[in-house]
Amino acid sequence: GENVEQHPSTLSVQEGDSAVIKCTYSDSASNYFPWYKQELGKRPQLIIDIRSNVGEKKDQRIAVTLNKTAKHFSLHITETQPEDSAVYFCAAVPSGSARQLTFGSGTQLTVLP
Amino acid sequence: DSGVTQTPKHLITATGQRVTLRCSPRSGDLSVYWYQQSLDQGLQFLIQYYNGEERAKGNILERFSAQQFPDLHSELNLSSLELGDSALYFCASSVGLAGNTDTQYFGPGTRLTVL
Repeated sequence: GENVEQHPSTLSVQEGDSAVIKCTYSDSASNYFPWYKQELGKRPQLIIDIRSNVGEKKDQRIAVTLNKTAKHFSLHITETQPEDSAVYFCAAVPSGSARQLTFGSGTQLTVLP
Repeated sequence: DSGVTQTPKHLITATGQRVTLRCSPRSGDLSVYWYQQSLDQGLQFLIQYYNGEERAKGNILERFSAQQFPDLHSELNLSSLELGDSALYFCASSVGLAGNTDTQYFGPGTRLTVL
């Protein structure tokens, strides 16, 4: 089955700086890669996603890049703000009708004011 | 608010007991997924239903079972509970199974504590 590795596990940045979180996946057949943000005790919230036919996607301060050859994808947050502090999870979804998410282990992002 | 509802919000029970967690998907969503989040195992997929039929199984214990009803709500049944079953249980839903219809939206979760 799919295996997703995520790095780093913790990340501290100064407000206004950029943050980058990286994930690798094992199943070359995976074709959908969402990113979720989770605040303590709350539900995971989708912040951006990318499909395998696209190399990059941007939504305001958040961008995701996908390298299918290397089987890795990254989340980029620019101009970080204290409210960006949370745990971020990457995930991969296999092709086919079983669309379950395989999550990475999460990155605790802390934005220091 | 994602539109996915889960009840109860909190559940405290004893080892050996049985509980039922309930999930109502977003209006129009046919697919329901259950995930378990624990400190040592992270977010793990348990089971998926689509329009009443089981579609995929993950690391779901034999003591656990689920179903999706004709009105599309889903229930996750956990029996012979053990201390290690204490976790946050999330339900997610999506419209369908492929392309732009498979984006999953999560409910608020049920926090299960087994004493």
